[in-house]
Amino acid sequence: TQLLEQSPQFLSIQEGENLTVYCNSSSVFSSLQWYRQEPGEGPVLLVTVVTGGEVKKLKRLTFQFGDARKDSSLHITAAQPGDTGLYLCAGERGAGNMLTFGGGTRLMVKP
Amino acid sequence: EAGVTQSPTHLIKTRGQQATLRCSPISGHTSVYWYQQALGLGLQFLLWYDEGEERNRGNFPPRFSGRQFPNYSSELNVNALELEDSALYLCASSSLQGYGYTFGSGTRLTVV
Repeated sequence: TQLLEQSPQFLSIQEGENLTVYCNSSSVFSSLQWYRQEPGEGPVLLVTVVTGGEVKKLKRLTFQFGDARKDSSLHITAAQPGDTGLYLCAGERGAGNMLTFGGGTRLMVKP
Repeated sequence: EAGVTQSPTHLIKTRGQQATLRCSPISGHTSVYWYQQALGLGLQFLLWYDEGEERNRGNFPPRFSGRQFPNYSSELNVNALELEDSALYLCASSSLQGYGYTFGSGTRLTVV
């Protein structure tokens, strides 16, 4: 059983569409991080959210941390083929502690 | 600044053999984390080392072990390899003062 549940597991959309990926847990985290991983590479950190209700924008990506710090979402506007990859959420309990990862959302954006 | 480096990139072993994977963290980072990623999906936590000591261990059998050296580099050892140990093994480092990991590109271990 995953401590962090991501949905959907797989998503295939056309270029220009919008999408939202969810990361849910029954546990409280001190921070929630989102990573993107491409084939043959390690995950790369996209953003860290630390405050309940926090919203961060990174170009076409919008990240939100739930008020209770148990869940998060990633919204991509006008998806592009370059957004294709595996998106992973990860929760941390205290700075420097190990991260617990969700199962990942594999996104494919078709041109 | 050099990132997290892992070696070897690929490793093929026979069932029952032992595998040794290596990781060099970013300069200044004292914490090293090992994760197993099977089937290209989520990461399963294996081991966390900081300042040369094992801080936490995931739900893996004792044949998964490791150590951290005085220069903060780390080694993951897997004994008595089984077919299901085939996976991408990722190492990450972090500074205790900050948030976020920096990952290496991983070692792809194949057990045949």
